[in-house]
Amino acid sequence: QVQLVESGGGVVQPGRSLRLSCAASGFTFSSYGMHWVRQAPGKGLEWVAVISYDGSNKYYVDSVKGRFTISRDNSKNTLYLQMTSLRAEDTAVYYCAKDPRIMTTVTLYYFDYWGQGTLVTVSS
Amino acid sequence: DIQMTQSPSTLSASVGDRVTITCRASQSISSWLAWYQQKPGKAPKLLIYRASHLETGVPSRFSGSGSGTEFTLTISSLQPDDFATYYCQHYNTYPYPFGQGTKLEIK
Repeated sequence: QVQLVESGGGVVQPGRSLRLSCAASGFTFSSYGMHWVRQAPGKGLEWVAVISYDGSNKYYVDSVKGRFTISRDNSKNTLYLQMTSLRAEDTAVYYCAKDPRIMTTVTLYYFDYWGQGTLVTVSS
Repeated sequence: DIQMTQSPSTLSASVGDRVTITCRASQSISSWLAWYQQKPGKAPKLLIYRASHLETGVPSRFSGSGSGTEFTLTISSLQPDDFATYYCQHYNTYPYPFGQGTKLEIK
């Protein structure tokens, strides 16, 4: 069965960096686009970034452009989110989520599986 | 950017009730709409895609309808497991906007 397990969250000071990981299993990771979605405490869902199955296409929400980088290592079945210049408003649970379509570089679609999330707290 | 607005924000209902949640888009989005269910401390779960297509494994008491700018999620007979927060999402334009959520509470 599909499993997505996020890690790397924690407490970090404003302006510092953090890298999140999402370990995938139960499907052919290298064939599917992947997303990061976040949820601030007590708030709704906000999409953050997407990467196509082959890494050729990447898109970001405006609020993280230039600060966050999405990447993947298909040999390790792992998705990453490198976060720099962190701000208090980046505090959230970060989920990775999977696109249901196989081998497409078109990244606009819904998400069929989500991980359980990892909490990032940006605070001094 | 396209904005998604759900109503109501909170809904109180009883087991066995039929409930409907509405999601409105700020401009036409055809049928590019998904619905997710989220329970406290858990990841969202896909219920409906392309406005009315039931995801595999989702009980048939859930149904979705609509196109253009107005969409509904209906639960035909509420079960205890259905008390959760529900989100709509448009997924054919960036940044994949979500509605603000509808919390379904036990009356």
